[in-house]
Amino acid sequence: EPEVTQTPSHQVTQMGQEVILRCVPISNHLYFYWYRQILGQKVEFLVSFYNNEISEKSEIFDDQFSVERPDGSNFTLKIRSTKLEDSAMYFCASSEDSGGANEQFFGPGTRLTVL
Amino acid sequence: QKEVEQNSGPLSVPEGAIASLNCTYSDRGSQSFFWYRQYSGKSPELIMFIYSNGDKEDGRFTAQLNKASQYVSLLIRDSQPSDSATYLCAGRGWGGSQGNLIFGKGTKLSVKP
Repeated sequence: EPEVTQTPSHQVTQMGQEVILRCVPISNHLYFYWYRQILGQKVEFLVSFYNNEISEKSEIFDDQFSVERPDGSNFTLKIRSTKLEDSAMYFCASSEDSGGANEQFFGPGTRLTVL
Repeated sequence: QKEVEQNSGPLSVPEGAIASLNCTYSDRGSQSFFWYRQYSGKSPELIMFIYSNGDKEDGRFTAQLNKASQYVSLLIRDSQPSDSATYLCAGRGWGGSQGNLIFGKGTKLSVKP
């Protein structure tokens, strides 16, 4: 069964460093998403991406964040200068379509720890 | 501000009982609702979705939607210890740029053998 994959599973970094989180969405999906979940808190939407551009982003997704689809399979989230409060699980998701009842399939997540 | 509210629990039920999980939402523009199950340290896993008023059944799970009351629920019949997890309710717009999910904090369910 096709699935969303994410690497690495755990990333530890020093405050101020840049990190890149990688995702491989399901191959025939066209819409891609990043969410994050701070420990003990709700899953929060960061950004959605379609047709090689951002279609929607939340207030959390400020200038420190960027997304890219560098090739036909990968979808990346870059945090330029990490802060302690960026420590969270980051989930990538993909779907065939953007709305209605279309299911978003979640990857296993990357746990980011900023020291 | 779009919000989805859930009682964080924990909700404890004995094995074989019915577990009832509830969710309210603030945005009348939300059209479809999703129930995800999340085990500790894992990613959300879709259980079912609903977008029409009324009930929708899938095996041991029944989702209920009342758009007038802005209320969504999930019933789990014949609860099993393996159902012990956090259940996330999420709302979503319809089409276009409204594809992102708005999640509640989740209700932690514990099914006691």
